[in-house]
Order: sequence, then structure tokens, then C-alpha cells
Amino acid sequence: AQSVTQPDIHITVSEGASLELRCNYSYGATPYLFWYVQSPGQGLQLLLKYFSGDTLVQGIKGFEAEFKRSQSSFNLRKPSVHWSDAAEYFCAVVAGANNLFFGTGTRLTVIP
Amino acid sequence: DAGVIQSPRHEVTEMGQEVTLRCKPISGHNSLFWYRQTMMRGLELLIYFNNNVPIDDSGMPEDRFSAKMPNASFSTLKIQPSEPRDSAVYFCASTTISGNTIYFGEGSWLTVV
Repeated sequence: AQSVTQPDIHITVSEGASLELRCNYSYGATPYLFWYVQSPGQGLQLLLKYFSGDTLVQGIKGFEAEFKRSQSSFNLRKPSVHWSDAAEYFCAVVAGANNLFFGTGTRLTVIP
Repeated sequence: DAGVIQSPRHEVTEMGQEVTLRCKPISGHNSLFWYRQTMMRGLELLIYFNNNVPIDDSGMPEDRFSAKMPNASFSTLKIQPSEPRDSAVYFCASTTISGNTIYFGEGSWLTVV
């Protein structure tokens, strides 16, 4: 069965520091993987997606993610975090018929 | 371009009342999804439609919940009667059947007191 695991419920980083949010998936076929961001009181905004090809994908707001099949991972990274990046981040996998399965989310706090 | 449009954005209602949430998908999209987000359960898929036809409603919590899609540009999620445990954010999302990127509305924030 397909599933997505985000092991970190809450991460706190200093502004300007680097960031890595972890995501592991379980899916029998080639996955389509996504990262969404949700700011307080807002909907979900697509940051980036991986379908095939280059395993390092670039997204909006300076984010990138790397697909590692051997580790079943799709970790999100940003070299220098800004205070406006504070939000909830969701990893998701498409499992047939466009059905998105979400991880439980990682809440990012940015301290000055 | 207009994204997925949901209404109302916020609703507070009394237990036992009927609640109707509305969604207008992105023009040209023919798959529509209803999700519910709570602190306890995270994001859950309630139901999705392809070409206005419900494909999988196994996520609908109980008979109090119903969803319809009378045409390609409109869908409703109805709760009757509402209960406090239905308090959540309800998201509508859409995509094309052949596409793989799902776009979300800004959500309807429901509070049942």
C-alpha cells in the first residue's frame, strides 16, 4: 500500500540557516512525488514535483528536492531560510487515478 | 488565471444545522477532489469525481456527508446534520484526468458549535 512518512513533526531553524525536511514514501510503482506548503490560514501551494528524469528538481521560493529511489526518499532542501518560509510542509505521492496521499506534515518555525 | 474557488471561506454553525460547501474547479479540469484537514487526522481524501461522476467515496465519514457534481464547473459538499466533530478545514482540489498535479482551493474553515 502507498504511504508517505514525514518523520519530523516540527523543525526550528534560524533565519539564514539551511533546511532539510525529510520525506519517505512507500509505493510499488514509479512514484509521482510532490511537496506542498501551507501558510497559516491558507490553502496548499505546490512547491515542486517529481515525475521522472533528473532526480534533483527545482521549485519555487528557492526550494529543491532530491529523489533517491534507493532510499525511497524525497527530501526538501533550501540553502538559506527566510522568515517567510515559516509554514507547514506536506510531502505527497500520487497513487493511481490522481489520488494524492499526504504525509502528516512538518511544521517549520524560523527564529531571527 | 482563476484557481480553484471555494465558498464560504469561513462558516460557524450550530450543531444540527445543514452545511453546504461549494467549489468551482479550474476551467478545463475534469477531476475534482474534496479533502478534509484536522489536527488529529491530517489531510484526508473524502471523495473524488472524474467527469462529474463520483469514483471513490470511501473516505466520506458517514451518511451525514454527501457530495454532488451537477456539472463540470461546480461541486457541493453537504453535511446534514452537522456535529461539532465535523469542525475542520475542507479543501477542494482539481486536475485533469491525464494530469498529475492537483491544485487546491484556499479551503472552507468550518466550525460547528
